[in-house]
Amino acid sequence: DQQVKQNSPSLSVQEGRISILNCDYTNSMFDYFLWYKKYPAEGPTFLISISSIKDKNEDGRFTVFLNKSAKHLSLHIVPSQPGDSAVYFCAASVWGGSEKLVFGKGTKLTVNP
Amino acid sequence: NAGVTQTPKFQVLKTGQSMTLQCAQDMNHNSMYWYRQDPGMGLRLIYYSASEGTTDKGEVPNGYNVSRLNKREFSLRLESAAPSQTSVYFCASSDAAGLYSYEQYFGPGTRLTVT
Repeated sequence: DQQVKQNSPSLSVQEGRISILNCDYTNSMFDYFLWYKKYPAEGPTFLISISSIKDKNEDGRFTVFLNKSAKHLSLHIVPSQPGDSAVYFCAASVWGGSEKLVFGKGTKLTVNP
Repeated sequence: NAGVTQTPKFQVLKTGQSMTLQCAQDMNHNSMYWYRQDPGMGLRLIYYSASEGTTDKGEVPNGYNVSRLNKREFSLRLESAAPSQTSVYFCASSDAAGLYSYEQYFGPGTRLTVT
């Protein structure tokens, strides 16, 4: 049973517009969430995170929103740039637990010039 | 400061052969992890080690063994490779150390093909 779901395998947006990547989770024990970005032939790199005590966290062009009641989070990228083209993974964990992360299957973002 | 390093970068094995994937980190992290990534499957945890001398199974441990040699190194062994183990393998490390962060740092990956 998939505990972290990214239902859109791919997303295509125009440069300068907003990219919105979505993630849903089923385990109500999850209280810490992360987004990773992965380029081809490289390892994933950490992008931004949010704890369940917040509903929004911003870092430059990247903002993560958390809706605990809906068990849903989203990553907004504004404005999108061609260099943002990558696979984005959502991950979740239980704070105070084993530090293990549960990953979604990823969404491939393509930003067209 | 190299972060997380993995060797080799590429490997081709025949069914039944064995090999060890090496991973080392220079960030003094306590926790280390092995994942596999398959097309459309995301990252799945094979084994992890919360500290030197301890290892635990993840989501997909069958066919693999691990060794936490010391705080820096965590190896993954395939005793008898099977075509189903064709994948990209990533090693990662982390250390919450009282900070509110479970950020994991990943190596560049090993692309393994079993024929």
